[in-house]
Amino acid sequence: GDSVTQMEGPVTLSEEAFLTINCTYTATGYPSLFWYVQYPGEGLQLLLKATKADDKGSNKGFEATYRKETTSFHLEKGSVQVSDSAVYFCASWDPGKLIFGQGTTLQVKP
Amino acid sequence: DADVTQTPRNRITKTGKRIMLECSQTKGHDRMYWYRQDPGLGLRLIYYSFDVKDINKGEISDGYSVSRQAQAKFSLSLESAIPNQTALYFCATSDPGTGSGTGELFFGEGSRLTVL
Repeated sequence: GDSVTQMEGPVTLSEEAFLTINCTYTATGYPSLFWYVQYPGEGLQLLLKATKADDKGSNKGFEATYRKETTSFHLEKGSVQVSDSAVYFCASWDPGKLIFGQGTTLQVKP
Repeated sequence: DADVTQTPRNRITKTGKRIMLECSQTKGHDRMYWYRQDPGLGLRLIYYSFDVKDINKGEISDGYSVSRQAQAKFSLSLESAIPNQTALYFCATSDPGTGSGTGELFFGEGSRLTVL
């Protein structure tokens, strides 16, 4: 079945550092891909998405590009802030439901 | 008020007890989901419902049951709780939009269940 694999965390960075969180997927077709974020004590919320190959999703300074050749959807941000500390989940759309990766914890230190 | 409300937010119970987690939504969405979150495992789908008459098993439905009482309400039951059901449980909703849907889920704040 479809699956999503993320790099293991935790990821610890200093403020203003560059962030990459790797995500790869397996699927029979070309599913829509998503990044969700979970701030401490809260539920998940959509961060960005891409619905087809070569699409770039972006929001709040975060970006991810749908690469069908490498079946990847890596999350990047050029300069992280302390407020970006959270758990990040990559997900793929298996029609009708989302398949999530295991989550990557990001901690940003001042 | 939150669009997706889960009750209780925290619950401690004992092995063998029956537990119900409730979810209600004001978004008017037909689709509702129950996920379980465990450290290092991400979110795993327990059950989902596309409308009041439609219930589907997810990848980890054993030991759980659900009831879709109305469009706005979707409850998860553990008939006889066991310690490895200790987890954070999330309810979510989505709007199918057109075709196969947008994939955007709206989550509640979670229900933390501890089974002793």
